[in-house]
Amino acid sequence: QSALTQPASVSGSPGQSITISCTGTSSDVGNYNLVSWYQQYPGKVPKLMIYEVTKRPSGVSYRFSGSKSGNTASLTISGLQAEDEADYYCCSYVGGNIWVFGGGTKLTVL
Amino acid sequence: EVQLVESGGGLVQPGGSLRLSCAASGFTFSSYWIHWVRQAPGRGLVWVSRINYDGSLTGYADSVKGRFTISRDNAKNTLYLQMNSLRAEDTAVYYCARADNMDVWGQGTTVTVSS
Repeated sequence: QSALTQPASVSGSPGQSITISCTGTSSDVGNYNLVSWYQQYPGKVPKLMIYEVTKRPSGVSYRFSGSKSGNTASLTISGLQAEDEADYYCCSYVGGNIWVFGGGTKLTVL
Repeated sequence: EVQLVESGGGLVQPGGSLRLSCAASGFTFSSYWIHWVRQAPGRGLVWVSRINYDGSLTGYADSVKGRFTISRDNAKNTLYLQMNSLRAEDTAVYYCARADNMDVWGQGTTVTVSS
């Protein structure tokens, strides 16, 4: 049960687009379309942003999108805004009723 | 309002036990799988355990397998996490989260393992 690999930090300027990667293996990310993404502000509860790789829950901005290629899932935030500055985590089903999170990525809006 | 409320956290000595609860309201609890997720101070989210609708299927992270037990009482709309043989590294905020996409989270309950 190794954690999925995310970059520790990413940054971008307001209005730009950024992408956060989430790399697993052919046993988890590459094998199931059950990747989700969560946004967490310091001291706050995580919030679901993307589920089943590409689906966006009601109420989440269209600026957030998800994709997957092989063993790597990605979260893209377009039109970056100051309020997007937060920690982001990916999560994937691994099989055998087991799930795993990524290590998290700190997004800084310059 | 759809809500999950955790309770039962506290300070416990290494080797001790604690039972966490997660009370659900505003939705049909028995229709959802539920997860436990934890977050150590200053660290990332870590998946702990998951249980199916009726409690017949469970899964655990390697780090807690054999020490933690997840269960549920659908009549009481409540999820539990029995934690035994606690270690310092189990210190964390423990969240319950609804469904496989974890679309609803509780506010968390803090567990501190220290002598």
